[in-house]
Amino acid sequence: TQLLEQSPQFLSIQEGENLTVYCNSSSVFSSLQWYRQEPGEGPVLLVTVVTGGEVKKLKRLTFQFGDARKDSSLHITAAQPGDTGLYLCAGAQETSGSRLTFGEGTQLTVNP
Amino acid sequence: NAGVTQTPKFRILKIGQSMTLQCTQDMNHNYMYWYRQDPGMGLKLIYYSVGAGITDKGEVPNGYNVSRSTTEDFPLRLELAAPSQTSVYFCASSYHRGRGSNYGYTFGSGTRLTVV
Repeated sequence: TQLLEQSPQFLSIQEGENLTVYCNSSSVFSSLQWYRQEPGEGPVLLVTVVTGGEVKKLKRLTFQFGDARKDSSLHITAAQPGDTGLYLCAGAQETSGSRLTFGEGTQLTVNP
Repeated sequence: NAGVTQTPKFRILKIGQSMTLQCTQDMNHNYMYWYRQDPGMGLKLIYYSVGAGITDKGEVPNGYNVSRSTTEDFPLRLELAAPSQTSVYFCASSYHRGRGSNYGYTFGSGTRLTVV
């Protein structure tokens, strides 16, 4: 059983469309991070959220941490081909210290 | 600033062979990690280290060993390679100064290993 469930697993959309990726768990996290990974490279940190209900924006990307700190979402407005990549959520729990648990990822393809 | 450097980028091993995956970071991060990534499975933690001389097992440690003699280096050793160890391996580092710090990981670009 995966501690962090991401959905959808695959998403293919046209340039200019909006999309939302979800990261859900039955466990509480002290913080949650989102990473983006391109082919042949390691994941790159996009954002960290730590407070329940927190919303952070990074240009066209909006990240939200659930009130109960069990889930998170990533919303992209007016997607561009450069947004294509694997999006990973990762959570840290009080009992795990610095260790992150990663979701399985959402593979996003934005077609021009 | 190089960040996290992994070598080699690609390697093919025969069953039963041994090898060491190298990882070095130049950011003076105290924590380091090894993950493996398989298609559709996300990243699984193999081993991690909270400082020089200290290592601990992660979620999938069997078949691997690590050492951390310096802050900068965290090599991963495969003693008897098996086909199940075919994967992409990522080294990562992070800085933590106490409970509640939430600094993100910096990842290397990975080593793609195939065991035949």
